[in-house]
Amino acid sequence: KAGVTQTPRYLIKTRGQQVTLSCSPISGHRSVSWYQQTPGQGLQFLFEYFSETQRNKGNFPGRFSGRQFSNSRSEMNVSTLELGDSALYLCASSLAVAGGNEQYFGPGTRLTVT
Amino acid sequence: AQKVTQAQTEISVVEKEDVTLDCVYETRDTTYYLFWYKQPPSGELVFLIRRNSFDEQNEISGRYSWNFQKSTSSFNFTITASQVVDSAVYFCALSLSFGGYNKLIFGAGTRLAVHP
Repeated sequence: KAGVTQTPRYLIKTRGQQVTLSCSPISGHRSVSWYQQTPGQGLQFLFEYFSETQRNKGNFPGRFSGRQFSNSRSEMNVSTLELGDSALYLCASSLAVAGGNEQYFGPGTRLTVT
Repeated sequence: AQKVTQAQTEISVVEKEDVTLDCVYETRDTTYYLFWYKQPPSGELVFLIRRNSFDEQNEISGRYSWNFQKSTSSFNFTITASQVVDSAVYFCALSLSFGGYNKLIFGAGTRLAVHP
């Protein structure tokens, strides 16, 4: 079974631009979560989608948004990029509806904002 | 509030040594889940184990073992006879059953370096 895939793997953007990252979950998984990893703040939860609905959101500004499609693929968007948005963005997918499930992570997208 | 503390920032050992990674968590919920993930240099988080709050039985998987103690709110991870391939950053994480859905609250991670 294919794992979680994320595209692109690397991205360089300029301050003020916007960016869209994509995540394809493991086949059959309906929950997709996004995390931001930085050296200073560590791993932080961004949001979770299930059946095309955002059901949980972390403490990030509105510039961070996401969506999920009917095939469970998910995208996250960051508008008006800031230098501090430079990070590894990880996507995770999970099978079940309820919480506390095993989550499987993709390889991440490394975003550099200059 | 929920929190996970991994007090050990970095650990360095020589191959074949045993090493224990500490994890202390905080939550007022009675139902929760604890996890350990491994992050090798490639960056992908690899799932190692999940325990729920009602199951305090220790678990062993090959050279890996986990000790869950609710009395001290700890969920420690031991690698026996460490190998160079164990070198990675290890994260302990907490997930709540209600309201938290699949949100993982991570500790800061412990970087383990195993030297030949």
